[in-house]
Amino acid sequence: LAKTTQPISMDSYEGQEVNITCSHNNIATNDYITWYQQFPSQGPRFIIQGYKTKVTNEVASLFIPADRKSSTLSLPRVSLSDTAVYYCLVGDVPSNTGKLIFGQGTTLQVKP
Amino acid sequence: NAGVTQTPKFRILKIGQSMTLQCTQDMNHNYMYWYRQDPGMGLKLIYYSVGAGITDKGEVPNGYNVSRSTTEDFPLRLELAAPSQTSVYFCASSFQTKTDSPLHFGNGTRLTVT
Repeated sequence: LAKTTQPISMDSYEGQEVNITCSHNNIATNDYITWYQQFPSQGPRFIIQGYKTKVTNEVASLFIPADRKSSTLSLPRVSLSDTAVYYCLVGDVPSNTGKLIFGQGTTLQVKP
Repeated sequence: NAGVTQTPKFRILKIGQSMTLQCTQDMNHNYMYWYRQDPGMGLKLIYYSVGAGITDKGEVPNGYNVSRSTTEDFPLRLELAAPSQTSVYFCASSFQTKTDSPLHFGNGTRLTVT
């Protein structure tokens, strides 16, 4: 059972805004949506988390519509160092047992 | 505060050998996880634990065993190594049950079975 669906890859250029959308049709009422970034040969690291509407921090924004069945990670003015794999993660469905399964992730390639 | 520490960083095993991948966290997190990541692929959940003495299977548990005798440690055991277990193994921990507590990952163990 696929919990999340993301585009496999995206290309962008330096200075552009990048939006990566994740579909999570079976999200549970109490689940939060969390995005992680992974560089080669490193473990994923936390970027941003939200429950509904919009969340912004120093590196990204997260947009979540009212039905919460999708979310969009927005990276403003990307640079070459933003080239990485991005994962969205939601909790186990139908109940929160602590079982966290990642989707395939989106490989973002930023070009000069 | 070291976070999540994994040892060893690299290991080469022969087919049929066994080994234990160590994972320790010093953040008093109750939830701990083991993932594997094959080259160019995403993360697959092997086992997870919601607290000391409690473990449960993830997506790909076959060929692995875990134990959780303390809050800090969550070792992963490979009993009869096979080439299909060649992968990078990541341990992670979080403070709470639900996804409002982000996962903290270790730097991984790169395992090759030949």
